[in-house]
Formats: sequence, structure tokens, C-alpha cells
Amino acid sequence: AQKITQTQPGMFVQEKEAVTLDCTYDTSDPSYGLFWYKQPSSGEMIFLIYQGSYDQQNATEGRYSLNFQKARKSANLVISASQLGDSAMYFCAMREGGTGRRALTFGSGTRLQVQP
Amino acid sequence: GAVVSQHPSWVICKSGTSVKIECRSLDFQATTMFWYRQFPKQSLMLMATSNEGSKATYEQGVEKDKFLINHASLTLSTLTVTSAHPEDSSFYICSANHPSGSSYEQYFGPGTRLTVT
Repeated sequence: AQKITQTQPGMFVQEKEAVTLDCTYDTSDPSYGLFWYKQPSSGEMIFLIYQGSYDQQNATEGRYSLNFQKARKSANLVISASQLGDSAMYFCAMREGGTGRRALTFGSGTRLQVQP
Repeated sequence: GAVVSQHPSWVICKSGTSVKIECRSLDFQATTMFWYRQFPKQSLMLMATSNEGSKATYEQGVEKDKFLINHASLTLSTLTVTSAHPEDSSFYICSANHPSGSSYEQYFGPGTRLTVT
């Protein structure tokens, strides 16, 4: 079974509008972390936001917020006030376990295109 | 924040030759590093976990004799693609965990684009 599922291969959004990128996950480990990364055409992985499984509040980082619904096992990324520079691939990822010493499992990604 | 570098950023080699890719943590010591591979328009797939001073742990389906990993120091892990073939052409990315072990502190290198002709 897929551990991380991103069902939107591609998304379009108008500049200055908000967009939600979907991510669902599957784990039986009570301790886990959820990540979102942005990958522009250069290939570098840019960390956006992190949510721990025990965090009570949704994570926010500037224009990025994570809509964490634990019971539904979803961790959607919300980008507010989209900018042209937000056009890129976006990956949701999960690390299982309570330490930072394990690898991430990535979803298939969503290509976001911001239109002027 | 912490920085991870990779060298080279891109490389072209002939089929049958070997290529070494370096991953360095520049301002911290990393006991564990990870190597991922990303084919065009696909996601990152974990290849192996590199542990300083011990053997790497390979994911299922990854040939350990073809993808040699050496984590000789706390700041350097190398991936050597031996007897490269065109199907090994891919984007290779390493990452390292900050030794504090905080759940969110995993840093990625900029990646190495390998083309085998």
C-alpha cells in the first residue's frame, strides 16, 4: 500500500489566489512527521513546512500552512496568495518513528502552475 | 541553517565506466546520510541509508555491488555507480540528518544529474 498519496498530478491557480495541495498518508506508527517540499526545475529540494503527529496545532510558515487532519490521515498544504515563483513540483513526505534518523517516504508529487 | 553539498552537480559518462558522487555536510556532523534517486517526472525513491563507520543499508531492489556507498567520515558519504549503463541515468540526491535528531531537521543536497551515454 502507498504510504503517501498525492492524487493531483497537476494543479493550476491564478496569481494571488490560494491553492490546496492534497496529501494522505498511511502508517501504524503513532509517532511520525509529515513534510512538504518544493522542487523547482533546478532539482533542489526546498523544505517548506513540517507537522509532527503529536502537534496539536496546524503548522504555518509564512504563506504556507498545513491542514492536518489526523483522523483522516491527511496533511494538505495550503499556499495563500500564490506567486509566479510558486510554480514547481510539490512533494509530501513522511518519516515514521520518533527520531530524525530515518529516511523520508515521498508521494508522487503535484505540479503547480501559477498563472498571471 | 545546515548545508549539504554534492559534487559534481552533473556528470556525463560512458557506458561501462564508474562514477563517484560525493555528499558532504558542511557545518555539522552526520552519522546518517541517505541516498535517493529520482527519474524524470517521478518522485524520490530511497536507495540506501549510509551509516558512518558501518555498512550501508540498501532498499529492496537496489544492487549493493553496483551502487557502492562509503561513509568514511562524519561529514562525507560517497556513492559510486559502477559499470554504469544508460538506465542508471537519473538525478541522485543525498540528505543528512542533523545530529540533534530533531524530527524535522533533514537537509538535502542540491543533487547530481548523471547521464550515461
